[in-house]
Amino acid sequence: QKEVEQNSGPLSVPEGAIASLNCTYSDRGSQSFFWYRQYSGKSPELIMFIYSNGDKEDGRFTAQLNKASQYVSLLIRDSQPSDSATYLCAVEGGSYIPTFGRGTSLIVHP
Amino acid sequence: DVKVTQSSRYLVKRTGEKVFLECVQDMDHENMFWYRQDPGLGLRLIYFSYDVKMKEKGDIPEGYSVSREKKERFSLILESASTNQTSMYLCAASGATLSNTGELFFGEGSRLTVL
Repeated sequence: QKEVEQNSGPLSVPEGAIASLNCTYSDRGSQSFFWYRQYSGKSPELIMFIYSNGDKEDGRFTAQLNKASQYVSLLIRDSQPSDSATYLCAVEGGSYIPTFGRGTSLIVHP
Repeated sequence: DVKVTQSSRYLVKRTGEKVFLECVQDMDHENMFWYRQDPGLGLRLIYFSYDVKMKEKGDIPEGYSVSREKKERFSLILESASTNQTSMYLCAASGATLSNTGELFFGEGSRLTVL
């Protein structure tokens, strides 16, 4: 059984701080890694994906992948109250069917 | 813009009723998925389909069936609803292939309550 683990949180950070969200996965053959954001009462939406080891930056978001250690993380710089949401990590092993973690709840307080 | 539409946002059904949840996508994507989402359990895959009339069981298919007669439409069927099927149901579509991964586009969700 492929597993994707996330700390459920909540992770609470002050406005303007860096929020760090982490995800570990069990399948060493995993190839694609996604971060989805889900606001309360809404559906998940993709915010970042990464395929290669290292960092990938998009605006205030940075995804980091370390395949040797089997973890992927999402950094949110200059966190805003509007970033308060649940962040879902999803991992794909080449079958185009992602496995989701249970999500980490992020609260950014003013 | 990509769109996945679920027919009902909120449904209330009685135990034993047959329930149909409909999902339509306008992206011409091959792959469609049905998930349920429960607090503390995350997204769990019920069924997926990679082509018309093709379906594969996900992690929790018991008590559910699906139908995909047309590429754009994927239906989830609860033959005899039970209270433990009270949940949020999310439909998704993706254009991923074995050589080309892709994001999932989700519908707005259908919140089902079984009394």
